[in-house]
Amino acid sequence: AQSVTQLGSHVSVSEGALVLLRCNYSSSVPPYLFWYVQYPNQGLQLLLKYTSAATLVKGINGFEAEFKKSETSFHLTKPSAHMSDAAEYFCALTSGTYKYIFGTGTRLKVLA
Amino acid sequence: DAGITQSPRHKVTETGTPVTLRCHQTENHRYMYWYRQDPGHGLRLIHYSYGVKDTDKGEVSDGYSVSRSKTEDFLLTLESATSSQTSVYFCAISEGGGPGTDTQYFGPGTRLTVL
Repeated sequence: AQSVTQLGSHVSVSEGALVLLRCNYSSSVPPYLFWYVQYPNQGLQLLLKYTSAATLVKGINGFEAEFKKSETSFHLTKPSAHMSDAAEYFCALTSGTYKYIFGTGTRLKVLA
Repeated sequence: DAGITQSPRHKVTETGTPVTLRCHQTENHRYMYWYRQDPGHGLRLIHYSYGVKDTDKGEVSDGYSVSRSKTEDFLLTLESATSSQTSVYFCAISEGGGPGTDTQYFGPGTRLTVL
């Protein structure tokens, strides 16, 4: 069975500090992995996606994620947090079908 | 932004009443999805459609039905609403170009409260 685990339902960082949001997955076949961001009272927006072309994926707003098969991880990072990054972030997986499995989300708080 | 609208955006109803939520897209995408979002659960797939009149169940389909009579519209119906169906419902669309290239785009959501 496929699954996605996001470690930490809430993460706080200071403005200008490194952002690290953790995502681990389980899949019996090569996965396609996604990170989405959700701002308050809005739908989800795609940040980036891994489709096996490159293990380091760059997305919008300065975010990037690295696919590590040996660790079954797809952690999201940003070198310097900005106040506008405060939102909820979701990791998602699909494995050859159109059914996506979403993690439970990580709410990022950026402290001034 | 992908052209996806959901109606209504907010609804309060009573237990036992039927409710229909509508998702409308202007992108002519083949795939459409209904999710519910609940604290601690993230997004869970209710139903999805891969073409007109072609639908399939997701992981939390009990108590829900869907219909798609036109490419642009995907309806979610709660035949007899229960308090456990209080949630935020999101519609999503995708082109269906293949799981490696396919990307889901989300609507703004409908907040449903069942009293």
